[in-house]
Amino acid sequence: DAGITQSPRYKITETGRQVTLMCHQTWSHSYMFWYRQDLGHGLRLIYYSAAADITDKGEVPDGYVVSRSKTENFPLTLESATRSQTSVYFCASRATAMNTEAFFGQGTRLTVV
Amino acid sequence: ILNVEQSPQSLHVQEGDSTNFTCSFPSSNFHALHWYRWETAKSPEALFVMTLNGDEKKKGRISATLNTKEGYSYLYIKGSQPEDSATYLCAPGRDNYKLSFGAGTTVTVRA
Repeated sequence: DAGITQSPRYKITETGRQVTLMCHQTWSHSYMFWYRQDLGHGLRLIYYSAAADITDKGEVPDGYVVSRSKTENFPLTLESATRSQTSVYFCASRATAMNTEAFFGQGTRLTVV
Repeated sequence: ILNVEQSPQSLHVQEGDSTNFTCSFPSSNFHALHWYRWETAKSPEALFVMTLNGDEKKKGRISATLNTKEGYSYLYIKGSQPEDSATYLCAPGRDNYKLSFGAGTTVTVRA
C-alpha cells in the first residue's frame, strides 16, 4: 500500500514489557518523526530522523528508543513500558524539499496496564 | 526547544460565524510555519506551509497569514461549518528538519 502505515493499530501491554511500534512509508521520504498525543499538549515529539542511521531526540525521548536502518522504516521501542506511556502514537514523514508538508500515519493506540 | 503558543486553547463558534486564532513563536531564526488540522479519531493533515513575511494562504474557507518579524500567524475560518470542528496545530521551525507542534486550538462549531 502506498503511503505511511503504522502497526499495530491497537496494542495492550503490561508494565515492564518491551514493545515496538512500527512505521513504514513508501515515498522514500528522508525525514521521519514519532509523536505522542497528550491531553493539553497536542502532539509531542519523541524522536525524529533525517535519514537512515541519523536520529535525534525530540521533547520527550525518555523511555523510548528508535532505529532507522532503512529509509522506509522507523520503529519506536518502549524498552520497559510504563502506564504513563499509555497514549496514541503517530508517525509522520516528509520530503527534504524546502517547506514540504508532513504526512501522518493512522496512529497506534497503546495501553499499558 | 522552539517555544510556541497557540491561543485560545479552545473556542466555540456558532455555525456560519467566522473566527480566528493565533500561533505565536520566537521571531529569531525563523524558517517556516506549518498549520495542520486534526479531527477527532483521525490523523493530522497539513493545511499550509508558510515561509515569507506577509504570506497569505487560502484553502476553501480557511486562510492564514504570517508575520515573521513579530512572530505570529493567524488562522481564519470564514463561515464556520460543523465539519470545521477540529484541533488546529501550528509548528514553527528554525530549520527544514525538526517539526515540533504547539498545543493546538480546539474549535467546536455548534449547529
